[in-house]
Formats: sequence, structure tokens, C-alpha cells
Amino acid sequence: NAGVTQTPKFQVLKTGQSMTLQCAQDMNHNSMYWYRQDPGMGLRLIYYSASEGTTDKGEVPNGYNVSRLNKREFSLRLESAAPSQTSVYFCASSHRTSGRFYEQYFGPGTRLTVT
Amino acid sequence: AQSVAQPEDQVNVAEGNPLTVKCTYSVSGNPYLFWYVQYPNRGLQFLLKYITGDNLVKGSYGFEAEFNKSQTSFHLKKPSALVSDSALYFCAVREGDSNYQLIWGAGTKLIIKP
Repeated sequence: NAGVTQTPKFQVLKTGQSMTLQCAQDMNHNSMYWYRQDPGMGLRLIYYSASEGTTDKGEVPNGYNVSRLNKREFSLRLESAAPSQTSVYFCASSHRTSGRFYEQYFGPGTRLTVT
Repeated sequence: AQSVAQPEDQVNVAEGNPLTVKCTYSVSGNPYLFWYVQYPNRGLQFLLKYITGDNLVKGSYGFEAEFNKSQTSFHLKKPSALVSDSALYFCAVREGDSNYQLIWGAGTKLIIKP
């Protein structure tokens, strides 16, 4: 049981390049999330997927797109990277049923630098 | 507006002493509250949560947190700190009654000195 896995662990991009961050979970969770973590700012939600087939914007969606490929996988794409997107990106997942709220489980993160 | 505040950027505690990491919140409706810990270069790990019921919640690694509705606080505590508790701690609260997004505090760095 690997939990939440993310690839790659590290990435350096030049401004304007594109890339996709991959995330997969093996806990049969309904909901998945993408966050970015910047020093002194805690975590900010980029996009989330409440269940397979749905995605919604979070607090900071500009410059990003997501795809919920299936129940296990949730990818984050940067179409044209900018230095402001230098950050650590975390994927998370959680179980979800009507009327209840469960804790989120996090992947190890991707450290992205845009030059 | 919904918000979470962790008023201390850093907390320093001697090993063996009790520790407290503070969190206050502001949400509409009943809050669901969470504490997470992040060790260097790692993802966040769930410690404990308050959903309903007993105001004192026990979690992993000997941590506990007390929910205080009147003070809108959810402080993290441990009776006797270990050097290995040194890490970054995040408080989070669910936003609203039907939305399952979390609002996160900025984090508190806990340093336990031998």
C-alpha cells in the first residue's frame, strides 16, 4: 500500500515550458487535491476533484489545469511555466461520503523551480 | 470570511517540557478542525481531528488538542516534548457546511532543544 505517490520529485523548467505533475493513490479515495506550498503561506488549494469525473477550481487556479484520469489518478499541468510557479506541489486524497468529512493524505511533493 | 490563524511562527521548547502550538479559527457553521505535521522534505502527515463530541481529542505520537468553541481555538498540546517532535505544524479547518475544502494556517515551526 503506497498511499499517495507523485512524480517527479524535482523539476527545473525554463519560463514558457510546459509539464505535467502526476499523482496516484491506492486507497480507493473519492476526492483528490492539488496544493502548492510557499514559505510562510501554508498550503493553497489549486484544484480539487470531489469524485471521478469532476474537477473544480481552488484558491489559486490561474496558470494550471487538471485532469482526473480515473479514480486513482489526478494530474496537474502547467501550460506555460512562470517563475511565480516556483513552489512545492503536493497532491492529496481523502475519502468522502455524504455528510461526513475525512482527513486528507498527502504525497511526498514535487519541488518545481522555474527559471 | 473563513480563516485560520497560527499566531506563532516558531515555538521553542526544552525536551521533556510540555508544548503548546496555538490555532484559532473563524468559519461559518460548525468547524471540522485538523492538525498536520510536516517533517523536512516530506509531505504532511495527519495528526488528529475534531469533528464533534469530546472537546479533548487524542492523536498520533502522543499529541492531543483541545477544542474551545467560545474562544474559537484548537491548540495542539503534548505533555512531554521529544527532540523528534521538531517539525512544522499546520492547523486546518473545513470551510462551510457543504464544502469540503480545507483552509490552512501558515504553519508553526516547533523546535525542541535537548
